[in-house]
Amino acid sequence: SYVLTQPPSVSVAPGQTAYIACGGNNIGYKSVHWYQQRPGQAPVLVIYYNNDRPSGIPERFSGSNSGNTATLTISRVEAGDEADYYCQVWDTSNDNAVFGPGTKVTVL
Amino acid sequence: QVQLVQSGAEVKKPGASVKVSCEASGYKFTNFALTWVRQAPGQGLEWMGWINPYNANAKSVQNLQDRVTMTTDTSTSTAYIELRNLRSDDTAVYYCARADPGGSTYYYVFWGQGTLVTVSS
Repeated sequence: SYVLTQPPSVSVAPGQTAYIACGGNNIGYKSVHWYQQRPGQAPVLVIYYNNDRPSGIPERFSGSNSGNTATLTISRVEAGDEADYYCQVWDTSNDNAVFGPGTKVTVL
Repeated sequence: QVQLVQSGAEVKKPGASVKVSCEASGYKFTNFALTWVRQAPGQGLEWMGWINPYNANAKSVQNLQDRVTMTTDTSTSTAYIELRNLRSDDTAVYYCARADPGGSTYYYVFWGQGTLVTVSS
């Protein structure tokens, strides 16, 4: 089965840029989706198809995907961005979704 | 607007069964598959399986196949997941989510609010 890796935590100062990596074998050939989850809440899709933003998601959120790493970038970080972030792909060989283990973003 | 509304929290004893519902509104129920995802306390998201309400075809992950049943009721636009022979490590928040297709991938824009299932003796 397809496996995704993420760093457990990322710390960033307000106004700076956060980079959250998602690793997988040749993940650049897949579409990667990203979710934000605040404590006690359901996940919220923030990026789909590697770099598309659903309506209502600020332009500060962007994504990229190449080789073995996809990256979620949060520019001009705000206190409200503090949350867990999960990457997700579709494993076509097993016909199921795969989530990364999640990255906790802390705003200093 | 699209909404997925789940049933309330449950407390069950080990070995019992639980059935969680997810009522959909704001779109044609049979046009989209529904996925079930669970999250144990302090842990990440675990994809459990999905069901196509159009033809009732369902698939669950291998390690749950013998204990889980997913169904839908198109007359009420409601999806159900039943988990049998509950164990303490089934304690989790269970989410339903609509699977939006895109070529060779699916992603999840719309989620239910979650249902906490606690398994404790």
